Amino acid sequence: EAHLLESGGGLLQPGGSLRLSCAASGFTFSSSAMSWVRRAPGKGLDWVSTITGPGDFTYYADSVKDRFTISRDNSRSTLSLQINTLKTEDTAIYYCAKHLCNGGGCDAFEMWGQGTAVTVSS
Amino acid sequence: EIVLSQSPGTLSLSPGERATLSCRASQSVDFDYLAWYQQKSGQTPRLLIYAASRRATGIPDKFSGSGSGTDFTLTITRLEPEDFAVYFCQQYSEYPFTFGPGSKVDFK
Repeated sequence: EAHLLESGGGLLQPGGSLRLSCAASGFTFSSSAMSWVRRAPGKGLDWVSTITGPGDFTYYADSVKDRFTISRDNSRSTLSLQINTLKTEDTAIYYCAKHLCNGGGCDAFEMWGQGTAVTVSS
Repeated sequence: EIVLSQSPGTLSLSPGERATLSCRASQSVDFDYLAWYQQKSGQTPRLLIYAASRRATGIPDKFSGSGSGTDFTLTITRLEPEDFAVYFCQQYSEYPFTFGPGSKVDFK
């Protein structure tokens, strides 16, 4: 059975850094683009970043560009998100999400992890 | 950036009734790359519909999507207790991918 499991969240101070990880299992990881999506308290879903299956292209929301870095290790079926210069507005549950496939028309999120909570507060 | 709006914000219905949710885009969604997700309180989002009208794997046929261009609809027939949740639309025709603010279906 396909599964995604995030880790790495916690309580951090503004300006800090952390690295989120997502362990994938039960499917051919390298065949799917992957994304991070977050949901802040009381708000809706917010797309953060996407990486293609081979890892050759990455995309970011303007609000996180230059602070967040998405990466993947297909040999270990792991997705990562490096977050630097944390801001209070980064407080959210962060989900990793598997795309339908890799390529055009595939970018609906067919599977989501349980999420990891990030709280940024002084 | 394609901005999505959803209506109504909240829909109060009884089990057995039909829910009709709307998603409107600020510009045409190319190839109708529009998805619908359900999220229950404390749970992870679930893909219901992609490409505007295709049901995702394992989604019952009481959920249906329609529409094209800038106007899309999610219809849920015969509401059951487990269908009371928040529903989000998302466009994936261009970056940045964007979500609508959500429509909540709650008990009347």
